[in-house]
Amino acid sequence: VMTQTPLSSPVTLGQPASISCRSSQSLVHSDGNTYLSWLQQRPGQPIRLLIYKVSNRFSGVPDRFSGSGAGTDFTLKISRVEAEDVGVYYCVQATQFPRTFGQGTKVEIK
Amino acid sequence: QVQLQQWGAGLLKPSETLSLICAVYGGSFSDYYWSWIRQSPGKGLEWIGEIDHRGGTNYNPSLKSRVTMSVDESKNQFSLKLNSVTAADTAVYYCAREILVARGAFDNWGQGTLVTVSS
Repeated sequence: VMTQTPLSSPVTLGQPASISCRSSQSLVHSDGNTYLSWLQQRPGQPIRLLIYKVSNRFSGVPDRFSGSGAGTDFTLKISRVEAEDVGVYYCVQATQFPRTFGQGTKVEIK
Repeated sequence: QVQLQQWGAGLLKPSETLSLICAVYGGSFSDYYWSWIRQSPGKGLEWIGEIDHRGGTNYNPSLKSRVTMSVDESKNQFSLKLNSVTAADTAVYYCAREILVARGAFDNWGQGTLVTVSS
């Protein structure tokens, strides 16, 4: 089970935001990798990959997005929130089958 | 640029079979896993299953008895069938590409297909 907190995050433009994702089991795979990704769903836009394998920023993703964590606890940080960052953010684990997603965290502007 | 384009029936009656196809334009077909993921109205994301270019599959145990995925590498297409649908299967269904060497890296998504199950 993947548990995200908070479920809603009102943020002032230019301020940081942080989303936590906790797994009920370790996400370290037998191959030594940790398969934890972060996705962004903006209104009217295709779902977008932000981060994979905990901390790897996907191609084209602004460097204000960063991922960290290990084992069961992971964090997505936005260093300075911009208007285009409004949307719902999901963590997803792919260490085990079935793949499971967090409930989603809605980031909105105060 | 890679594009995933999906289509299928959007309105079903209970007990019917959901059938969706996803066509992949651009990029290699063999270097990825191909997944189906759904999102019920107002809810989060649920992984349905995946298939590779040779037809190897992994399904979500909660849906396994009703799901069949297949692939047609000659057309760069893969498909989803979900039988005996109920209202609980009403959702937006997405196809997605997952990087083979970076599991969980769903880097390209289809536009989504709203499937409504209603009598």
